[in-house]
Amino acid sequence: QSVLTQPPSVSGAPGQRVTISCTGSSSNIGAGFDVHWYQQFPGTAPKLLIYGNSFRPSGVPDRFSGSKSGPSASLAITGLQAEDEADYYCQSYDSSLSGSVFGGGTKVTVV
Amino acid sequence: QVQLVESGGGVVQPGRSLRLSCAASGFTFNAYGMDWVRQAPGKGLEWVADIWYDGSNKYYADSVKGRFTISRDNSKNMLYLQMNSLRAEDTAMFYCARVRPGTTHMLDSWGQGTLVTVSS
Repeated sequence: QSVLTQPPSVSGAPGQRVTISCTGSSSNIGAGFDVHWYQQFPGTAPKLLIYGNSFRPSGVPDRFSGSKSGPSASLAITGLQAEDEADYYCQSYDSSLSGSVFGGGTKVTVV
Repeated sequence: QVQLVESGGGVVQPGRSLRLSCAASGFTFNAYGMDWVRQAPGKGLEWVADIWYDGSNKYYADSVKGRFTISRDNSKNMLYLQMNSLRAEDTAMFYCARVRPGTTHMLDSWGQGTLVTVSS
């Protein structure tokens, strides 16, 4: 079990909006530590998608957005495209573990 | 451009050791903390270890504490992971990743990974 909880999968039709939740606790997200999101395609390394809860690195489409509230965070993909099919992971810092923690990952499927 | 290239993976028997390397280029290596992150086949990402920019502090996941050692050689722009007493559950793709300064473990660049298989 991962310290951060994500749904195993979400799906949506092209053009729709999907959201991925990431739930933590008082020692990580709830303690105020930032949440970062990564996108990973099969057979490739993860890529930073969202940092500092809601900021996009250059080159990331503005269809991707992040938010955080209390012990949870969310990643939203608006105008879903076939190329968005991938695994998405949230990450934060945990003060009780003195290290980074990841969510279990969410597979996004475009139906 | 930033480049991280891992090496040293392979097949190793349970209980044996292996040392992974990560060659960094395209940035000022001694200004960045570095992490190792692993991913077991078909599973999610797991943080393994972290080392500060100057090597002064190191942190480990409980699952590897006492068995793995992270280190770096800033004169060679190299990051290492010494893995001892390997177990079957250590089988994974191991990635090195750069930590953006001033952030809580934001990993802004990743290598392509090196595969470690622990099997008899």
